[in-house]
Amino acid sequence: GAVVSQHPSWVICKSGTSVKIECRSLDFQATTMFWYRQFPKQSLMLMATSNEGSKATYEQGVEKDKFLINHASLTLSTLTVTSAHPEDSSFYICSAQTSVSSYEQYFGPGTRLTVT
Amino acid sequence: EDQVTQSPEALRLQEGESSSLNCSYTVSGLRGLFWYRQDPGKGPEFLFTLYSAGEEKEKERLKATLTKKESFLHITAPKPEDSATYLCAVRLSGGSYIPTFGRGTSLIVHP
Repeated sequence: GAVVSQHPSWVICKSGTSVKIECRSLDFQATTMFWYRQFPKQSLMLMATSNEGSKATYEQGVEKDKFLINHASLTLSTLTVTSAHPEDSSFYICSAQTSVSSYEQYFGPGTRLTVT
Repeated sequence: EDQVTQSPEALRLQEGESSSLNCSYTVSGLRGLFWYRQDPGKGPEFLFTLYSAGEEKEKERLKATLTKKESFLHITAPKPEDSATYLCAVRLSGGSYIPTFGRGTSLIVHP
């Protein structure tokens, strides 16, 4: 149980275009979903937290107009990188929290974004 | 100053050589400590949750323990397939449900 999927697993796009990444909790309803960014050999950097039906809460330094997060249902959250630039190239990982009480997070497999 | 510190940053072991990874935290009011395993190019995989000092949990060759200021992830007779980065995260009191992650320990087990 507690499986989280991400799509796509990797994507290459041209500078200036937008890319959407989907995160789905497959066998549970996620009260909260998180989006992380990870650079090579570094730990996870939290970008934003989203709850179903409400606006995402962004961490300091994360541009909300550039990284659009939509949490339309209890099983789906999307991250759209708008007007992508090469510096946006990174590994993006989502996670979902199973309940308000447990706080355990289950992570998706990640999406490798390369902007050329 | 990091609230969650993991040590060592990197660890190389021979197959069968048991060792421990450390995760220490500097704040009070722990509401949960989590251990994850991350393989290169993949998302972290949940391993354990510990809530109170003295608690222990085991899974195959891994055993996690918790004291008031730190947690240990003991690896008994490791195998090459245990090679990965091990992350710990803590959830603090005060209402925040967002865990704070350490920087991880990169473990390599040589055959």
